[in-house]
Amino acid sequence: DTGVSQDPRHKITKRGQNVTFRCDPISEHNRLYWYRQTLGQGPEFLTYFQNEAQLEKSRLLSDRFSAERPKGSFSTLEIQRTEQGDSAMYLCASSSSQGPNTIYFGEGSWLTVV
Amino acid sequence: AQSVTQPDIHITVSEGASLELRCNYSYGATPYLFWYVQSPGQGLQLLLKYFSGDTLVQGIKGFEAEFKRSQSSFNLRKPSVHWSDAAEYFCAVGAPGTASKLTFGTGTRLQVTL
Repeated sequence: DTGVSQDPRHKITKRGQNVTFRCDPISEHNRLYWYRQTLGQGPEFLTYFQNEAQLEKSRLLSDRFSAERPKGSFSTLEIQRTEQGDSAMYLCASSSSQGPNTIYFGEGSWLTVV
Repeated sequence: AQSVTQPDIHITVSEGASLELRCNYSYGATPYLFWYVQSPGQGLQLLLKYFSGDTLVQGIKGFEAEFKRSQSSFNLRKPSVHWSDAAEYFCAVGAPGTASKLTFGTGTRLQVTL
């Protein structure tokens, strides 16, 4: 069990550029979540997938954000036309749909928009 | 809507002393409850979880938590703190029977003095 892995771990980008983060969930997990965490705050839910279907999106997920999970395995989170307010840690997590839901998190991807 | 309150932003304890971190939640029924720990710049590690049954749950690293329905609380405890326990601790609540996207508190930063 290799856990949830995220790439890149750190990204510095200029305002207005696009960035993409990748998440590989725990292999037997069919649910995948994206959260955002800013300094001094707890993680906030952005969106989640069950297999390849995106089943819920938070109001925090503006139209500049898009998440995909095309084959029900890894997922990508793209932010277009980044703004300084997008600077945060983007956390990916996964879980199984069998039984009570225990969600396991990755190490996160830090985004700094300058 | 569900919510979590962690009233203590920052706690300092001496190594070897006991610890209790407070968590209160708002939810219409009995939710799923979790405690996660986060070291600086890292992702979240699951300490323990409560779904149902015995209200005292044991977790990793010697932590335990007690669910008290009458107080809507899920406080985290450890009888003897180690310097390596210094980190940020997050309480989270999820709705049973759903994909259980989690709602997090704002966290409690634990400092351990030698």
